Amino acid sequence: QVQLVESGGGVVQPGKSLRLSCEASGFTFSHYGMHWVRQAPGKGLEWVAVVSYDGSNKHYADSVKGRFTISKDYSKNIVFLQMDSLRGEDTAVYYCARPLKTGYFRYGLDVWGQGTTVTVSS
Amino acid sequence: DIQMTQSPSSLSASIGDRVTITCRASHDISNSLAWYQQRPGGVPTLLIYDASTLYSGVPSRFSGSGSGTDFTLIISHLQPEDVATYYCQKYNLSPLTFGPGTKVEVK
Repeated sequence: QVQLVESGGGVVQPGKSLRLSCEASGFTFSHYGMHWVRQAPGKGLEWVAVVSYDGSNKHYADSVKGRFTISKDYSKNIVFLQMDSLRGEDTAVYYCARPLKTGYFRYGLDVWGQGTTVTVSS
Repeated sequence: DIQMTQSPSSLSASIGDRVTITCRASHDISNSLAWYQQRPGGVPTLLIYDASTLYSGVPSRFSGSGSGTDFTLIISHLQPEDVATYYCQKYNLSPLTFGPGTKVEVK
C-alpha cells in the first residue's frame, strides 16, 4: 500500500543540524513531488518545503530558507530534509506528504506520513 | 506572499447541524485550494481539492465551494467523528500556505 515513513527526529541543541528522512513505498516515487509540513506543539500546520518529481524545482518557506535543504534519493525512494542552524521555533512534528497528482508538485496532499518529532533545546 | 485566513477559529455545533467554515486568500488563487481534516492526535487527511472536488472516500456530507479569494467548507450534517481541526491550503504558487485552522467541537 502507499506509505510514507519518516525518521531522524530527536532532541538537538540550538545551532546544530539534523537530517530527516521519509521513505516512500507503494507508488512510483520518481513521478511525484514531495513535501515537508510541520506542526509546532499545539499549533497549526506550516508548509516547509517541496521538491518536484525530478528534483529540478525546490521551494521553501521563508522561515527555513537558507537553513533547510530538501532532496530526493531516487535509488532508495527517500526524501530528505537537511536542517541546519536549528532554532527553538523549529521544534515541531515534521510530516512528509505526497501530492495527489503526478507531475504536479503544487497540489493537494493526499498521502501523509505519521510524522517525526524534532525538539530544539539546550 | 499570499496570506490565508479562516473563520471562525472555533465553533461548537450539535450533531446533525450544518457547519460552515470560510477561508479567504489575500489575492486571487483561482481554484487552487485544498481542505484538510486533522482529528485530535491524528495526521491531516485530504478532504477536498481544487476548491470543490471531493477526495475519494470522503463522506458526501462534506462539500467545498468558491473561487478566487473566498472559499467555503460545509459539513451538511455534523457527525461525532467530525470533531477535528480543519485547514485550508492554497497551492497555486509557492509557498503553499495553510490557513490557521478552525476547530470544530460538538455541543
